[in-house]
Amino acid sequence: EAGVTQFPSHSVIEKGQTVTLRCDPISGHDNLYWYRRVMGKEIKFLLHFVKESKQDESGMPNNRFLAERTGGTYSTLKVQPAELEDSGVYFCASSPTRSGAQGEQFFGPGTRLTVL
Amino acid sequence: KQEVTQIPAALSVPEGENLVLNCSFTDSAIYNLQWFRQDPGKGLTSLLLIQSSQREQTSGRLNASLDKSSGRSTLYIAASQPGDSATYLCAARLSGTYKYIFGTGTRLKVLA
Repeated sequence: EAGVTQFPSHSVIEKGQTVTLRCDPISGHDNLYWYRRVMGKEIKFLLHFVKESKQDESGMPNNRFLAERTGGTYSTLKVQPAELEDSGVYFCASSPTRSGAQGEQFFGPGTRLTVL
Repeated sequence: KQEVTQIPAALSVPEGENLVLNCSFTDSAIYNLQWFRQDPGKGLTSLLLIQSSQREQTSGRLNASLDKSSGRSTLYIAASQPGDSATYLCAARLSGTYKYIFGTGTRLKVLA
């Protein structure tokens, strides 16, 4: 079974540009999460999808960030326009709806975003 | 507001030592707590997950305990090896939510 995949692995852009990150969850996982780690800080939750619906977007920092999950499969996270403080590692995770009450989230390798 | 703290921030030990990593959380109403390992430039690898009703979980040389009343979890690594060198993260999930609150991690270095 393939794990959570993220693309690209690295992205370097200039301030003011737009970047789109993609996450492919484990097949069959209805829950998809975005987290990020900015320099020197802990990993923080951004938002949670259940299928194509946003269940919790309390961690989204501002309206420059837009997450979508059309069709309830893969998800994209767009940053427009990017600012210097957006630099960091963006992680995606997924979990099945029925997880045997475990609730374990499976994380992808992350996308390292650098805004110059 | 749930806060997760990990102590120490960094740890360097000789190979073969048994060691304990600490994680504390402020809100005891957790659903579960997960320990992860992160290697430099890599993603998060799940090590152990403890449900709120459990006291401990074991996997190989790793043992994680949970004490909700005191807001603490520990990760015990037996007979440490250089390959154990990595950053160890704990994350607590509050009851009624799906999001994890992460600690800042403990950076472990095991010397050969």
